[in-house]
Amino acid sequence: DADVTQTPRNRITKTGKRIMLECSQTKGHDRMYWYRQDPGLGLRLIYYSFDVKDINKGEISDGYSVSRQAQAKFSLSLESAIPNQTALYFCATSPPAGGYNEQFFGPGTRLTVL
Amino acid sequence: SQQGEEDPQALSIQEGENATMNCSYKTSINNLQWYRQNSGRGLVHLILIRSNEREKHSGRLRVTLDTSKKSSSLLITASRAADTASYFCATAYSGAGSYQLTFGKGTKLSVIP
Repeated sequence: DADVTQTPRNRITKTGKRIMLECSQTKGHDRMYWYRQDPGLGLRLIYYSFDVKDINKGEISDGYSVSRQAQAKFSLSLESAIPNQTALYFCATSPPAGGYNEQFFGPGTRLTVL
Repeated sequence: SQQGEEDPQALSIQEGENATMNCSYKTSINNLQWYRQNSGRGLVHLILIRSNEREKHSGRLRVTLDTSKKSSSLLITASRAADTASYFCATAYSGAGSYQLTFGKGTKLSVIP
């Protein structure tokens, strides 16, 4: 079984709709991250969380919100989707020690906003 | 931006040849990591090199780090078709409270059988 799972894997939606992407992990890690990937731009950090009570904005948080429901669950919401939020979204986790450890990625959610 | 930059953007080689990818970055780091991404899939961690290390090996992978030049290289020896993927460097910065990884734009490697 995958350690980091994301649902849905693919989603097509319309401009203005509210969308939630979910991430679950069985690795027991405290730290969780949401990234988006656009062609030619690499990965950019949207939000990250070091524990259930800790939420931090990343490089490109505008238009997004997150919820850390439990240690194992971290959800990303697009309150009112727009076409330029069409991208591949990844959730990742990392263990807490030192803060600079490797990250473990989910399989991604391909989101298309029409 | 603190983003690392990989070079080249794309690389095509024959199976059995070595592949070298480079990464440059802009500021002091705690460590530098390399990840691989098969088309449309999640990233997989390959190797981490700390700022006080100069070279590290893992199987067919060799990573070097030159902090004076703010650069790193990833060498894949005896490449295989299965090595075809995009490779990203990611830098972890030393700033207070800065526990983020910043990813470069990647090198797309094609290994021709």
